[in-house]
Amino acid sequence: DAKTTQPPSMDCAEGRAANLPCNHSTISGNEYVYWYRQIHSQGPQYIIHGLKNNETNEMASLIITEDRKSSTLILPHATLRDTAVYYCIVNTGGFKTIFGAGTRLFVKA
Amino acid sequence: GAVVSQHPSWVICKSGTSVKIECRSLDFQATTMFWYRQFPKQSLMLMATSNEGSKATYEQGVEKDKFLINHASLTLSTLTVTSAHPEDSSFYICSASLPRRFSLADTQYFGPGTRLTVL
Repeated sequence: DAKTTQPPSMDCAEGRAANLPCNHSTISGNEYVYWYRQIHSQGPQYIIHGLKNNETNEMASLIITEDRKSSTLILPHATLRDTAVYYCIVNTGGFKTIFGAGTRLFVKA
Repeated sequence: GAVVSQHPSWVICKSGTSVKIECRSLDFQATTMFWYRQFPKQSLMLMATSNEGSKATYEQGVEKDKFLINHASLTLSTLTVTSAHPEDSSFYICSASLPRRFSLADTQYFGPGTRLTVL
């Protein structure tokens, strides 16, 4: 199964864009990139996923490089409520979602 | 849509007793549900995959006789921690995936979690 690498923590000013990077250099051609986040003491929340093309929804944008070896999650206007641990996950193809350490994002006023 | 609930949200029990945690998909039928455990300041650890009408598949190192999983219907999976001990105290989270006919991907929808404290 492909693994991902994320920075352990990042800071972002409130109202600014938060750009969270993820490396997944061993991703297979049919594997999706997923992003979830977990706010303290809650269950994870699905954010967005993509295969090859960039994706956007009401929460975020996902930019996947052409070689698919890395991606960036963009929160366009971060708020204090976006403070959470963000997990970048590559689908294993067996319905299992395996979590790494994630990136702890601190949004500061 | 795609809401998953858990009950109870927290539970305190005495050492040696058993605790049952329920996971329900409220607005969709989930043929597959997952159970995770999370210790403080750590990431989620997958414990088992639960398939409706069949035995659960446990991850390596997870005791199947201690963590009993039942998936009797398409909307309900239960996790029973048998003979709980203080080291079983943790945050237990379930998730469910939408049937593939609704999505080509394997998006997981998570419950809010159950905090178990064993005294």
